[in-house]
Amino acid sequence: KAGVTQTPRYLIKTRGQQVTLSCSPISGHRSVSWYQQTPGQGLQFLFEYFSETQRNKGNFPGRFSGRQFSNSRSEMNVSTLELGDSALYLCASSLAWVSGGYNEQFFGPGTRLTVL
Amino acid sequence: KQEVTQIPAALSVPEGENLVLNCSFTDSAIYNLQWFRQDPGKGLTSLLLIQSSQREQTSGRLNASLDKSSGRSTLYIAASQPGDSATYLCAVGETSGSRLTFGEGTQLTVNP
Repeated sequence: KAGVTQTPRYLIKTRGQQVTLSCSPISGHRSVSWYQQTPGQGLQFLFEYFSETQRNKGNFPGRFSGRQFSNSRSEMNVSTLELGDSALYLCASSLAWVSGGYNEQFFGPGTRLTVL
Repeated sequence: KQEVTQIPAALSVPEGENLVLNCSFTDSAIYNLQWFRQDPGKGLTSLLLIQSSQREQTSGRLNASLDKSSGRSTLYIAASQPGDSATYLCAVGETSGSRLTFGEGTQLTVNP
């Protein structure tokens, strides 16, 4: 079974631009979560999507947004990039239930975003 | 707000040693706890998942325990090998969703 895939793996942008990152979950997984990892803040939760609906959101500004498609693939968008957005963005998928219970989370290799 | 702390921040041991990594969390109302491994510049690899109703989980040379009442988990690595060198992260799953709250990690170096 294929793991979680993320594209692109590396990205270089300049301040003010916008970027879209993609995540394909493990087949059969309906929950996709996004995390930002930086040396100073560690791993921080951005948001989670389940069946095309945002079910949980972290404490990030509105410049960070996401969506999920009917095939469970998810995209994350960051508008008006700032230098501080440089980070490793990780996506995780999980076998989740409507009631809110979650199973083990599996992470992708991440997208390394550098903002110049 | 859930806070997760991992001690020590870094650990260097000779090959073959048994070792324990510690994780503590402030809110005992958790859904599960997961241990991950991260190699430099890479994603996270899931090692063990402990549900809130369980006390421990084992996989090969790894054993993780959970004590919800005291807000603690430990990851025991037996007979460490140089290939075990990585950063180990503890993450607590909240009851209301899939959000994981991570500790800062323990950077482990196993010397040959």
